[in-house]
Amino acid sequence: KQEVTQIPAALSVPEGENLVLNCSFTDSAIYNLQWFRQDPGKGLTSLLLIQSSQREQTSGRLNASLDKSSGRSTLYIAASQPGDSATYLCAVTKGGGADGLTFGKGTHLIIQP
Amino acid sequence: DAGVTQSPTHLIKTRGQHVTLRCSPISGHKSVSWYQQVLGQGPQFIFQYYEKEERGRGNFPDRFSARQFPNYSSELNVNALLLGDSALYLCASSLLGLDEQYFGPGTRLTVT
Repeated sequence: KQEVTQIPAALSVPEGENLVLNCSFTDSAIYNLQWFRQDPGKGLTSLLLIQSSQREQTSGRLNASLDKSSGRSTLYIAASQPGDSATYLCAVTKGGGADGLTFGKGTHLIIQP
Repeated sequence: DAGVTQSPTHLIKTRGQHVTLRCSPISGHKSVSWYQQVLGQGPQFIFQYYEKEERGRGNFPDRFSARQFPNYSSELNVNALLLGDSALYLCASSLLGLDEQYFGPGTRLTVT
């Protein structure tokens, strides 16, 4: 059974810092990995999707990397802003899609003004 | 273009009752998935539908059922509600089911 772990569970940093969120998964036979952002009580916003054959994806100040063989992904946020405060979730899916997305519990991020 | 829409936004039900939640996918998307998210946890997979056929089912009891209509919208039904069913129910749509998932705002269900 696939398990996804996110470290740290919570993080509070001053505005302007660069930061890294970590995600690990137990079964390396994934089809893709997706990073999401969730604001309190809201739905999920897709940030980046990395196919299993890719090593990284970038969107603006966000960069996500994937090391499939070691079961790890990182989300790098450059020059953090108070608006980046949210919970960040990573999720993996296997080929076939019958298991849907398997999520970690998320990293609760607070950017201090 | 409109994103994924869900209705209702909030719902309060009593134990033992039945509930129906609705989801409309992004135009052109043929796959809809349902997830349950309890406070402090990541979403848990309930169902995935593609082209009106059930493609996958998570570890949820038979009280949970779903269907997808010819216009690709979907309903999630939960019978004999329990207090533990209180959660945020999320719907996601995608083109084919294995590609990028786009989530709706969710339905907050409270069972009293």
